[in-house]
Amino acid sequence: AQSVAQPEDQVNVAEGNPLTVKCTYSVSGNPYLFWYVQYPNRGLQFLLKYITGDNLVKGSYGFEAEFNKSQTSFHLKKPSALVSDSALYFCAVRDGNNQGGKLIFGQGTELSVKP
Amino acid sequence: GAVVSQHPSRVICKSGTSVKIECRSLDFQATTMFWYRQFPKQSLMLMATSNEGSKATYEQGVEKDKFLINHASLTLSTLTVTSAHPEDSSFYICSAISRTNNEQFFGPGTRLTVL
Repeated sequence: AQSVAQPEDQVNVAEGNPLTVKCTYSVSGNPYLFWYVQYPNRGLQFLLKYITGDNLVKGSYGFEAEFNKSQTSFHLKKPSALVSDSALYFCAVRDGNNQGGKLIFGQGTELSVKP
Repeated sequence: GAVVSQHPSRVICKSGTSVKIECRSLDFQATTMFWYRQFPKQSLMLMATSNEGSKATYEQGVEKDKFLINHASLTLSTLTVTSAHPEDSSFYICSAISRTNNEQFFGPGTRLTVL
């Protein structure tokens, strides 16, 4: 079975400071890892993904994430937060050995960036 | 990029009625579609997986007779909430996997309110 954990319900950051949103995963096969952002009453917007290759993945809006196999983590980072980054962030995992396999989401982390 | 649409975006209905939500992949064919539900400030919970031309696979705890899923073509899946009750009020999000590149795309969601 696969699972995702986001240990923080909420992360508060001052504008201009670096931000980190944590994610750890568990999957039996090769992990395909994703980050999505959701604004109020909207669907999910894709930020970035790790399938294979370089452990540091760069995505939309200046976000990046680092795949760490030994720690089974895929933390989302941004060097300098913006107030407009305030939203709900979801980490997700899919078993890469299973074509068309289901995407399982973490519980979400609410990011609040204050001016 | 690939687009997934949902219709309607919002629906309000009376208790006991049935509501149909459509999910369409607009510019790609989807081998597999997923239906999720999301309660306020919570994660996306997978309800069911549907493959074109076959019966949907429901997650544990999801009533298949209450949440009818029809994946009639490679671009359309429908979710019908039968005999809706206030506890069915939620945000329903569909997702589709592209037949050509196995990428997963999300619809904008449908807000269902049952009075």
